[in-house]
Amino acid sequence: EVQLVESGGGLVKPGGSLRLSCAASGFTFSSYSMNWVRQAPGKGLEWVSSISSSSSYIYYADSVKGRFTISRDNAKNSLYLQMNSLRAEDTAVYYCAREVVGAKYDAFDIWGQGTMVTVSS
Amino acid sequence: SSELTQDPAVSVALGQTVRITCQGDSLRSYYASWYQQKPGQAPVLVIYGKNNRPSGIPDRFSGSSSGNTASLTITGAQAEDEADYYCNSRDSSGNHLGVFGGGTKLTVL
Repeated sequence: EVQLVESGGGLVKPGGSLRLSCAASGFTFSSYSMNWVRQAPGKGLEWVSSISSSSSYIYYADSVKGRFTISRDNAKNSLYLQMNSLRAEDTAVYYCAREVVGAKYDAFDIWGQGTMVTVSS
Repeated sequence: SSELTQDPAVSVALGQTVRITCQGDSLRSYYASWYQQKPGQAPVLVIYGKNNRPSGIPDRFSGSSSGNTASLTITGAQAEDEADYYCNSRDSSGNHLGVFGGGTKLTVL
């Protein structure tokens, strides 16, 4: 079964750090670009960051640039998001998502169940 | 970056047809993908590319595009289709799938 499982969420104080993990199974992890997408309580989806299959290309949303770092370990079938200098507005459910790319399409075809990050004093 | 605009809420009578739209300049160059999200659940891909459905998605879901507007059509809406729907596309640079619409809350009456 193709699956993504996030972990590492929790309660953290403003200015603190947290590292999220996403464990992939059921597919060749090293062949796919991966992404983090978040959703603040009661709000819509917000793309956070993407990383190509070999980590050659990395992109961030302006809202997290300079504070968050995406990485992956293809040997461990794992995706990570290091979050530093956290702010209240970073409070959200964080999803990892697999990106599928074709000749004329691309999409997030597999999503994890999400992990909640709460930034509060 | 770029933006995608969706109507916040749409309603449809049970068994009728509903169209959910998404507007944005990036849609002139890139196809939108569409996601269904029910309360407390992760998003699910329902349409991608020109009009492709992942395995397991009912054929009452279809997609289309014209100019700067992408549309998701549900033909014969069912009660279980009540959910939030989000469109997504590449940003203006084309480097990543970094743009989501604000979402449309679909109510099935």
